[in-house]
Amino acid sequence: DIQMTQSPSSLSASVGDRVTITCQASQDISNFLNWYQQKPGKAPKLLIYDASNLETGVPSRFSGSGSGTEFTFTITSLQPEDIATYYCQQYDDLPRTFGGGTKMEIE
Amino acid sequence: QVHLVESGGGLVKPGGSLRLSCAASGFSFSDYYMSWIRQAPGKGLEWLSFIVGSGGSTIHYADSVRGRFAISRDDAKNSLYLQMNTLRAEDTAVYYCARGRDYFDFWGQGTLVTVSS
Repeated sequence: DIQMTQSPSSLSASVGDRVTITCQASQDISNFLNWYQQKPGKAPKLLIYDASNLETGVPSRFSGSGSGTEFTFTITSLQPEDIATYYCQQYDDLPRTFGGGTKMEIE
Repeated sequence: QVHLVESGGGLVKPGGSLRLSCAASGFSFSDYYMSWIRQAPGKGLEWLSFIVGSGGSTIHYADSVRGRFAISRDDAKNSLYLQMNTLRAEDTAVYYCARGRDYFDFWGQGTLVTVSS
C-alpha cells in the first residue's frame, strides 16, 4: 500500500496567516493527489484534486502543489471558518489511502 | 443538487451482520463509480471499496474488509449498499458513501456502526 505521511499533525495559527501542510507519498504518485477539509461532526469536503486543481466553489485562498512524492497544501490567509482537519489522499494505486490528517486551530 | 443519504447503521454484536444503504439524488447515478469510506472514532479516513456504475462488474476492496464486506448497487433505485458480515470491534466507525473512484467529490452525512457486546 502507498503510505501518505502528513505534517504537521496539528497546527495553530492566527487569522490572516499563511499556513502550509505537507504530504509525502511512500512512492511516486505523479499528481494523483487530492486534499479534503473535514469540519467537526461533518463529512469531508473535496478542496483540491489532481494536486493543484481547485474544486468548483472553493475559495481561492486554498491551493495545492507538488508531484511525485512531495505535495503541499496552502491557505494564503487563514480564516476562522477554516478550522478543520485536512487530509491528503492518493489515487495512483489501490487501495486508495489517506494521510493521517492535520488539525488546524486558531491561536 | 447532489445528495447522498446513508442509513442502516446501529449497534451490532461481534460476529454479526449489518447492511448499509446510500440513497443518491441530484445526478445521473448510473454514470458514476461509488465508494464506501469509514472513519473510526477520533481517527482518520479509510477507503473500503468502490463499484463501477452502468451495470459493470468492476469492484475493489481494501484488505481489511475483503471477504467480509460486499458492495453492490441498484441503479434503478439510485442506491448503493454495503453488506457487512462477521463484524469486529475494529469495524466501529462512521461509514460514508461518496461519489467517485479517484477523488470523492460528494459525501453523505455518514451512518454510525458500533460493534460491541
